[in-house]
Amino acid sequence: TQLLEQSPQFLSIQEGENLTVYCNSSSVFSSLQWYRQEPGEGPVLLVTVVTGGEVKKLKRLTFQFGDARKDSSLHITAAQPGDTGLYLCAGPSGGSYIPTFGRGTSLIVHP
Amino acid sequence: NAGVMQNPRHLVRRRGQEARLRCSPVKGHSHVYWYRQLPEEGLKFMVYLQKENIIDESGMPKERFSAEFPKEGPSILRIQQVVRGDSAAYFCASSPFPSGGTYKETQYFGPGTRLLVL
Repeated sequence: TQLLEQSPQFLSIQEGENLTVYCNSSSVFSSLQWYRQEPGEGPVLLVTVVTGGEVKKLKRLTFQFGDARKDSSLHITAAQPGDTGLYLCAGPSGGSYIPTFGRGTSLIVHP
Repeated sequence: NAGVMQNPRHLVRRRGQEARLRCSPVKGHSHVYWYRQLPEEGLKFMVYLQKENIIDESGMPKERFSAEFPKEGPSILRIQQVVRGDSAAYFCASSPFPSGGTYKETQYFGPGTRLLVL
């Protein structure tokens, strides 16, 4: 059983479309992080959300942390081919400092 | 201003050989984490080390796997007598301080080593 469930697993869209990907858990997280991983590379941190209900924006990307701190979403407006990659959410659960990762959403944006 | 360096980027081994994966953390970072990534399983934590100490190895198999982070030099993940199931991408991450549960400190990931066992 995955502690962090990400959906959808795969997403293939055209340039200019909007999309939302989700990261859900039955556990409470003190914080959640979103990463993007491009093929052949390591994950790169996009954002950390800490407060329940928090919304953070990074250009065309909007990240939201659920009020109960059990889930998070990432919304991309007007997707571009450069947004293609694997989007991972991660967070430390319980008292652990070691992050648990979801399996990711693989996004392909076609020109 | 180099980030996390890992080498080799690709490693091919035959069953029974040894694989040695190296990780040089960001300069000044004394905390190193190793992860394994399989396509259908995502990133899985293996081991957390500080300089000369293993802090948490709960995610690392007890047999054949070992890790070190000496006072001088890179961190090494060593896999003895590799088997086909060891084929995966291995990532190293570093941070200046431990995450401490509140996840205040960012982990910076290296580009990974892709191990293929024939």
